[in-house]
Amino acid sequence: GQQLNQSPQSMFIQEGEDVSMNCTSSSIFNTWLWYKQDPGEGPVLLIALYKAGELTSNGRLTAQFGITRKDSFLNISASIPSDVGIYFCAVGTYKYIFGTGTRLKVLA
Amino acid sequence: EAQVTQNPRYLITVTGKKLTVTCSQNMNHEYMSWYRQDPGLGLRQIYYSMNVEVTDKGDVPEGYKVSRKEKRNFPLILESPSPNQTSLYFCASSLGGGEYGYTFGSGTRLTVV
Repeated sequence: GQQLNQSPQSMFIQEGEDVSMNCTSSSIFNTWLWYKQDPGEGPVLLIALYKAGELTSNGRLTAQFGITRKDSFLNISASIPSDVGIYFCAVGTYKYIFGTGTRLKVLA
Repeated sequence: EAQVTQNPRYLITVTGKKLTVTCSQNMNHEYMSWYRQDPGLGLRQIYYSMNVEVTDKGDVPEGYKVSRKEKRNFPLILESPSPNQTSLYFCASSLGGGEYGYTFGSGTRLTVV
């Protein structure tokens, strides 16, 4: 089946640093979404992107819908300890595909 | 409070013993879906439902059944569980399909021995 590849797979960062991660696909998608999963919980929607080239912010989070419609990027500014978790990109309407995830660990 | 409720949270069972994981949402959402999450494989869709009595297979439907007799409920049925179905399962619902984002339950950790 189709795959969404996320990088990096995991990262350790210092509190206060900015974080960047991306998600790529071999197919074109018209909507990209980003979720965060806290330990022991289900994913929670962070940002949805509906237009190629679109840049959308949610607090310290900024996501971009790649112009080719085959990728998306998520940036977290000034990271804090509660940013720890797994970040997933996702695409689809009925059939839904999640990326492989980026595990973020923040060192205080 | 708007939520998706799964039960049970934890379940240990033996191979071949039929089980049902319940899922209920109180948001009047039309779309519901089941996922399994495994280390290194991420979240994979098992089945989804677009409305009452309308269901379809996701990426990994083998060994699972679902039913959607009421809008709010979407149970996942394992007729004859096997150890390779040991996983963390999530139910989710959405008002307008995945493009508008899913609300997830807290998960069911299933162990089949």
